Amino acid sequence: DAGVTQSPTHLIKTRGQQVTLRCSPKSGHDTVSWYQQALGQGPQFIFQYYEEEERQRGNFPDRFSGHQFPNYSSELNVNALLLGDSALYLCASSRATGPAGGSQYFGPGTRLLVL
Amino acid sequence: AQKVTQAQTEISVVEKEDVTLDCVYETRDTTYYLFWYKQPPSGELVFLIRRNSFDEQNEISGRYSWNFQKSTSSFNFTITASQVVDSAVYFCALRETGFQKLVFGTGTRLLVSP
Repeated sequence: DAGVTQSPTHLIKTRGQQVTLRCSPKSGHDTVSWYQQALGQGPQFIFQYYEEEERQRGNFPDRFSGHQFPNYSSELNVNALLLGDSALYLCASSRATGPAGGSQYFGPGTRLLVL
Repeated sequence: AQKVTQAQTEISVVEKEDVTLDCVYETRDTTYYLFWYKQPPSGELVFLIRRNSFDEQNEISGRYSWNFQKSTSSFNFTITASQVVDSAVYFCALRETGFQKLVFGTGTRLLVSP
């Protein structure tokens, strides 16, 4: 049973560039959430996608956008990168319903460095 | 507002010692969920447990046990007979009903020495 997968594992960009991160959920999961984890901090919620729509959004600017595809995979896009966007980006998948609904399982993350 | 506090920044123990990681939460919701995750150096958050607010039974899973007390808004995690492989950062998280996001604490780094 494949877990949550993310690509790429590492990425280096320069200020002002745009980046796209990808996530494939765990088998049987239909909901994808994205989190940003700065060094030494706990993950911060960016947004969640369900049925190809953004269901909830955290306190992040519009430069952060996302998409969910019919196969439940998801992308996170960040435009006009800032140095402060350097972080570990974590994708989590969950099942919207059922006894384990809502329990989020995380992928290995994408480490983004903005120079 | 939701908030999770993990007051212990770092704990160092010697192998085979028992260790307890503290978690205190704040929420105005009457129904909510609490979680513990482990983050080894590789970076992946590993799900350990989910507890519903209406179920205050303590839980034991092997060397791990969890003590949930609504009266003190605490959800503490104990590792019995710690091992070097337990070295990681441990996060406590809260999710309110109707909200999708997990609110994390700042984590406790556990270092187990041989």
